Amino acid sequence: AIQMTQSPSSLSASVGDRVTITCRASQGIRNDLAWYQQKPGKAPKLLIFAASSLQSGVPSRFSGSGSGTDFTITISSLQPEDFATYYCVQDYNYPWTFGQGTKVENK
Amino acid sequence: QVQLQESGPGLVRPSETLSLTCTVSGGSIGSYYWSWVRQPPGGGLEWIGYSHYSGTTNYNPSLKSRVTISVDKSKNEFSLKLNSVTATDTAVYFCARRYGDRPFDYWGQGTLVIVSS
Repeated sequence: AIQMTQSPSSLSASVGDRVTITCRASQGIRNDLAWYQQKPGKAPKLLIFAASSLQSGVPSRFSGSGSGTDFTITISSLQPEDFATYYCVQDYNYPWTFGQGTKVENK
Repeated sequence: QVQLQESGPGLVRPSETLSLTCTVSGGSIGSYYWSWVRQPPGGGLEWIGYSHYSGTTNYNPSLKSRVTISVDKSKNEFSLKLNSVTATDTAVYFCARRYGDRPFDYWGQGTLVIVSS
């Protein structure tokens, strides 16, 4: 199975900060990667698919990039509602696998 | 607006079968791939597998010997069966839809299943 490694595992940031999270695949996955945001007690929410396509309704401060093995999601200006845990997932091949998550906390 | 809702027992005894149903409303269950994803308490996300109403299925090899996912188009719902459960199967179970390039675009709210005697 393809392993997805996110970094960092957690970070502390303030409102207005630019935040970048990285996801690395153990082998090339083209651009078959999505990013999700999850808040406590809630289902994950799709933010980015196909590495860089913004899901409808998601604020434009979120952006994704990368292909092959290295991917990033960037929040250009962190908002109060963005404190959450973020996951990447690859659907290049089976089994689809998630990163371990990155928790974004309020500094 | 598509909505997914999980239902099923919240407590399952070890060695028994976990059975959950996901009811889809606001849209047809046809033409999509329907997945189950689980999350142990305080842990990360694990894809369990998917099914398509045509009968196509794909399961995570880590669970393949114990899992069955099926779609009932007449009821607009799909189900998960996981047999021979142990405490390590304790988790929140989510149902989710795949659409195009989006692995999971719609999700249920999740249901906690505890495996305990």
